[in-house]
Order: sequence, then C-alpha cells, then structure tokens
Amino acid sequence: DAGITQSPRHKVTETGTPVTLRCHQTENHRYMYWYRQDPGHGLRLIHYSYGVKDTDKGEVSDGYSVSRSKTEDFLLTLESATSSQTSVYFCAIRGVRTGELFFGEGSRLTVL
Amino acid sequence: QKEVEQNSGPLSVPEGAIASLNCTYSDRGSQSFFWYRQYSGKSPELIMSIYSNGDKEDGRFTAQLNKASQYVSLLIRDSQPSDSATYLCAVIAGNTPLVFGKGTRLSVIA
Repeated sequence: DAGITQSPRHKVTETGTPVTLRCHQTENHRYMYWYRQDPGHGLRLIHYSYGVKDTDKGEVSDGYSVSRSKTEDFLLTLESATSSQTSVYFCAIRGVRTGELFFGEGSRLTVL
Repeated sequence: QKEVEQNSGPLSVPEGAIASLNCTYSDRGSQSFFWYRQYSGKSPELIMSIYSNGDKEDGRFTAQLNKASQYVSLLIRDSQPSDSATYLCAVIAGNTPLVFGKGTRLSVIA
C-alpha cells in the first residue's frame, strides 16, 4: 500500500462547472503526478509536481491546472469542465529509488 | 516525442501456457523499464522492473531487456485465468516522467 488516497472516487458534473480532484499521500514523496486514462489512449500525463509549489505540464495539460501547497496534497482542477474531460484520473507518486510509480485507486469523472 | 509501443491485443493463451508480451521504445536514453498489470476498473499495479540488458525473473514472471534493439518483453509462465488483465509497459529516462504504452490485453482461457 503506497499510502495514496484520491477523492472523490466518482463524480458526475455538468459542462462548464469547476471540478477539483484531490490526491493525498502519507509517505512524504517528493514527486506526484496526475494522469488520465481513456480507451485507445492509455495513460497520459496531465501535470506533475517535483516539490511544494513546483509543478510542470505534461502532454495533455490544456484545460487543467494543479496546485501543491504542501507535500502531502496535489490538487487537479478543471476550471470549466467539458465532455472531453470525461475520464478516469489517476494520481501517482514516484518511488525514491528508480523512478517507478505507484498509483492511487483512481477518480472517475463524468461531464454531462 | 518519446514513444512506447505495444500490441493492443487481445492476446489469448490457454491456461498453463507461456504468455509473451512485447514493447518497443523510441528514446535510446531510456534507463529504467517497468511492467504494470491493470485489472478492469482498477489502478495499474507494478509487477516487474528491469534496468540492465538480459533477463530478470520473479516467480512466474520474466522481464527481458535488449537496449540495442530498444525492446523489452514480459513472459508469464504457467498462465492462469487470474493473469487476464491489461499489461502496460513504461519507460523512463533520467528525471523525466514515466512514459506508458497503451497496453496489451491478455486473456487466459481455462
């Protein structure tokens, strides 16, 4: 158990509403990541963080923002949700030795 | 752009057979290689890692790496129906984020 908790686990929202997904870790890992997973596309990196207030964009960052004000929490925000952002979102932390990732249980978001 | 390619499958094998999953990658600077297993509706789970050329065995799983050919594979011996899942290959170079293939769906037929 990598000590990662995602919330909410399921959410249904309407187009144009803001949505925030939370990732919480208990093991003081420096690196945290947000991926989305869609059929036919696999896991795609949205944003990642390499420390408090240090974040960078991934390959599919448009429409998303992130914040990390403390080590244990990494927030993903959709400022104005669109139907194309319907997906399963995974948070991950990076192992300290060799770069492997450990994933949270995922958050399923449906935008109507 | 760094790419990791996998055959999407499905790969169907009979129970007890060897399942062979393959992955190629584009970045010659890649240093670490991982295999994840993902059951339907669940999150990816790390099952193997390999860092140097050759074979690495862990129980029924063997990872094989050939950096010259930019090729990594996963063999599952004595396949069981419980091995039916999607297997994701992932590659990392330096401190860059992990890049995933789209996964190969494995079906083990009892």
